[in-house]
Amino acid sequence: DVKVTQSSRYLVKRTGEKVFLECVQDMDHENMFWYRQDPGLGLRLIYFSYDVKMKEKGDIPEGYSVSREKKERFSLILESASTNQTSMYLCASSSGFGNQPQHFGDGTRLSIL
Amino acid sequence: AQSVTQLGSHVSVSEGALVLLRCNYSSSVPPYLFWYVQYPNQGLQLLLKYTTGATLVKGINGFEAEFKKSETSFHLTKPSAHMSDAAEYFCAVSLNQAGTALIFGKGTTLSVSS
Repeated sequence: DVKVTQSSRYLVKRTGEKVFLECVQDMDHENMFWYRQDPGLGLRLIYFSYDVKMKEKGDIPEGYSVSREKKERFSLILESASTNQTSMYLCASSSGFGNQPQHFGDGTRLSIL
Repeated sequence: AQSVTQLGSHVSVSEGALVLLRCNYSSSVPPYLFWYVQYPNQGLQLLLKYTTGATLVKGINGFEAEFKKSETSFHLTKPSAHMSDAAEYFCAVSLNQAGTALIFGKGTTLSVSS
């Protein structure tokens, strides 16, 4: 089975801090994704990557950046955390083309105080 | 541009009753369609997917969905609800392109009462 592991289930940070969310997948997938999930808004795509060192902006990239130095690892960075970035963050990976399903981690619930 | 609309943010059924969760999509090309389920404090789990071929797709836990191109719909059904089906369900669409991201609906919360 595919395993997508997010480094933290719960995280509490302060405004202005630089925050790193880490995601690792073990199935050699080309594609990796970061979503943000908020009640009533569903999942919104922040960034995705289809290859090492490649990245594409999603629907809500403002305030975030990403890094993919190795195929199995995709990091989401909040450059200067703000309270409106308090949310559930979900990482996913997939192989090949759009007909392949995405496999999700269990999420990181991030609170910015 | 692609989009997904899930009708009803909250659906309540009795145990043993039919489950029907509605999903309509918009896509300029033939889409790939997915249903995911999310249990509390967990990530999303794939229920089923439609890519090509048979339009009636069977998934895990007794769920199935039918792709109806003329209605641009991909509704999720289960003949008899179980208490363990209570969760949030997401419909999603994608294109057959390398590195394509999924477009998700806003989700439907299913409640099952005894």
